[in-house]
Amino acid sequence: QKEVEQDPGPLSVPEGAIVSLNCTYSNSAFQYFMWYRQYSRKGPELLMYTYSSGNKEDGRFTAQVDKSSKYISLLIRDSQPSDSATYLCATSSGNTGKLIFGQGTTLQVKP
Amino acid sequence: ETGVTQTPRHLVMGMTNKKSLKCEQHLGHNAMYWYKQSAKKPLELMFVYNFKEQTENNSVPSRFSPECPNSSHLFLHLHTLQPEDSALYLCASSRYPLVAGEDTQYFGPGTRLTVL
Repeated sequence: QKEVEQDPGPLSVPEGAIVSLNCTYSNSAFQYFMWYRQYSRKGPELLMYTYSSGNKEDGRFTAQVDKSSKYISLLIRDSQPSDSATYLCATSSGNTGKLIFGQGTTLQVKP
Repeated sequence: ETGVTQTPRHLVMGMTNKKSLKCEQHLGHNAMYWYKQSAKKPLELMFVYNFKEQTENNSVPSRFSPECPNSSHLFLHLHTLQPEDSALYLCASSRYPLVAGEDTQYFGPGTRLTVL
């Protein structure tokens, strides 16, 4: 079983749609949860991070963590063509800080 | 120049060639990393350096040889690679080694490597 599972997609939505990207993880010791965005021909950039359970909002983006079900999600409201990218979830126990990445979900937002 | 830079951006090499990838970070960080990103696979951590000392080698074949002369520069020396080594090689840096959250890792744009 992979430590972090993420549906690779691709996911195609119209502009303005609400998009939910999801990951599940297996290790209950994970406490840090991150979302990276990777544009084509670029390296990943940190989008949001959360510690333990709960929600975190930043503009059109909301990161949610449910530790009881080992489930993390990224909600994108009013999606824009500029949101078209691959979204990588990553987790860490914090003890070593080693990041465990999901496979990445490719999102395309059509004008 | 800001952030994390990598050169070359693209590299094509034969299986008998020797080449090197270079990474430079301008963030004042102390830790640097090499990752491999293959299609349809999660990022794989290869090496970690903290204050120029290697602290992690994730069972990487010896045909990949890292070098970290100082906290700002990281190299990956390649020799006798296999076609399955073709991938995007990403360099990252962080203020402290392997700490998550705000002190997270910042990535360079990567080197797209093709082994013929």
